[in-house]
Amino acid sequence: DADVTQTPRNRITKTGKRIMLECSQTKGHDRMYWYRQDPGLGLRLIYYSFDVKDINKGEISDGYSVSRQAQAKFSLSLESAIPNQTALYFCATSDETSGRGDTQYFGPGTRLTVL
Amino acid sequence: GQNIDQPTEMTATEGAIVQINCTYQTSGFNGLFWYQQHAGEAPTFLSYNVLDGLEEKGRFSSFLSRSKGYSYLLLKELQMKDSASYLCAPEGGAGSYQLTFGKGTKLSVIP
Repeated sequence: DADVTQTPRNRITKTGKRIMLECSQTKGHDRMYWYRQDPGLGLRLIYYSFDVKDINKGEISDGYSVSRQAQAKFSLSLESAIPNQTALYFCATSDETSGRGDTQYFGPGTRLTVL
Repeated sequence: GQNIDQPTEMTATEGAIVQINCTYQTSGFNGLFWYQQHAGEAPTFLSYNVLDGLEEKGRFSSFLSRSKGYSYLLLKELQMKDSASYLCAPEGGAGSYQLTFGKGTKLSVIP
């Protein structure tokens, strides 16, 4: 089984709809992240959480919210989706290991299209 | 702030050697990651450099110069499956372990 899973894998929705993307991990890591990836712009950090009670905004948090329901679960919500939120969304986890930095492990991604 | 520069695209021949460069300017620095990402797939960890010098891992090696804000990824004996994007990602300093990803270098390996 995959260590980091994301649901759904693909989603098409309409402008103004509320959308939730879910991420679960079995790696036992404390740190979790949400990124979006757009062609030509690379991976950009939306939100991150270093433990269940810690939530931090990333580079591009406007229009998004998150919930850390448990150590293993981190959800990303779009309260009112707009077309420029069409992107590939990745969840990642990490657990700082001495000598290997804070290596992040990515889920398979969710392809979101907002019409 | 963070500024990361790497070439957008590169093409190399199967069996050859290719070097992908990355320069960075960051407000803090712990080390530097390289990730590989095949089209439509998740990024996967390749290497992490914290000290200056070359780290070799099979066909892939990564170099870091902290004083110059420079790193490169060296791929030897290129195979078709190495066609992918390669992401340079400096790790922030001062207790921050955030990664900032470069836009990636798309490598095409041709026969």
